[in-house]
Parts: sequence; structure tokens; C-alpha cells
Amino acid sequence: AQSVTQLDSQVPVFEEAPVELRCNYSSSVSVYLFWYVQYPNQGLQLLLKYLSGSTLVKGINGFEAEFNKSQTSFHLRKPSVHISDTAEYFCAVSGGTALIFGKGTTLSVSS
Amino acid sequence: EAQVTQNPRYLITVTGKKLTVTCSQNMNHEYMSWYRQDPGLGLRQIYYSMNVEVTDKGDVPEGYKVSRKEKRNFPLILESPSPNQTSLYFCASSLSWGHEQYFGPGTRLTVT
Repeated sequence: AQSVTQLDSQVPVFEEAPVELRCNYSSSVSVYLFWYVQYPNQGLQLLLKYLSGSTLVKGINGFEAEFNKSQTSFHLRKPSVHISDTAEYFCAVSGGTALIFGKGTTLSVSS
Repeated sequence: EAQVTQNPRYLITVTGKKLTVTCSQNMNHEYMSWYRQDPGLGLRQIYYSMNVEVTDKGDVPEGYKVSRKEKRNFPLILESPSPNQTSLYFCASSLSWGHEQYFGPGTRLTVT
């Protein structure tokens, strides 16, 4: 069975600072990995995905993530955040018929 | 425009009164799924469907029913809602399982 652990429930940062949101997963099979973003009062939007190939994945809005198979991690990074990046971020793993989500990380960007 | 639609967006009801939340997608996706989102718990899968007439339980199926008579529609049925089903519900679809899922805007349900 797959599981996802988002190591930080809340991450406060100042505008223009770099940020890393951490995600670890466990699975006995090959997986696909995703990061989704949820802005206040909205649905989920795909930020980026890893299916295969290059371990560094670039997504929308300047975000990127690195798949590390040995550490079973898929951390999300952005070199310089904006106020508009304030949202909840979900890491998800798909290794079977279900998409398993972490519990989410709330990113709060202040000026 | 490719999208997943849900109706209603907001619903307040009373315990025991049957309700249906509709979900429709216009992308010809095979896979559809329902999730509930609760604070501190993330999203948990209720039911999913691999294709027409093929449905299966997710992690939290108790108290819910689904059907998939057409490819585009995947309604969620609460036969006898209870207050612990108060939640934010999302429908999602994807080309097939394992691919990225496209989410609807959500339905906020309150059961009193």
C-alpha cells in the first residue's frame, strides 16, 4: 500500500524568499508523483508531475520538484515566492487505482 | 473548455434526507473519483470508477453510493446523510488510472 507524508503542516515565509515543501512517500511498486495546489475556496490544480525520466520536474508558476528514489522523496521548491503563492499544497502518489494524498502543507507568504 | 463540473456547489440538509451530488466531465476520461476533504486529514478517496459500470470502494466508502451509467457522469449519493458527512467533496477525472486528475470546484455539504 502507498502512503504519503508531508513533513510540515505549515510553512510561513517572507516574500521573495526561497521555499521547500517536503514530501516523503512509501510504496512497494513504481509510482507516479504529483503536487497539487489549492487556493482559498477553490478546487485543486496540478502544479507538476513525475511519471518517469528526468528526476527534476518543472511545473507551473516557477515551482519545481526533485524525485529521489533512494530517499523516497519528492520535495517541492521555488527560489523566490510571491504573496500569490499563499495556498495549500498537496503531494500525491499513484501506484495503483487510487491517488493517495498527503495531509497538505499550508504555505503562507507575507511581505 | 475541458472541465469537471459539480452541482450543487453548496448544500445544507438535515440528517436522513437523501441527496445526490452530480459530477460531469467533458474530456472523455475513463477514470473518475470522489474525494472528501476534511481539515487536517487531506483528501480521502470515497469511490472510484475505472470505466462505465465499473466502480469500487476507496478508503472511506461507508454511507455513500455511486453509479457510472455513462462515461461522463459519476453522481455521489448519500442515502441517509449524517452530521459526520459534513465535508468538502471533490469529483475528479483522468484519462485512466495513474494519470493526473482534473478536479471539479467542490461541493460544500453541511448536514445538521
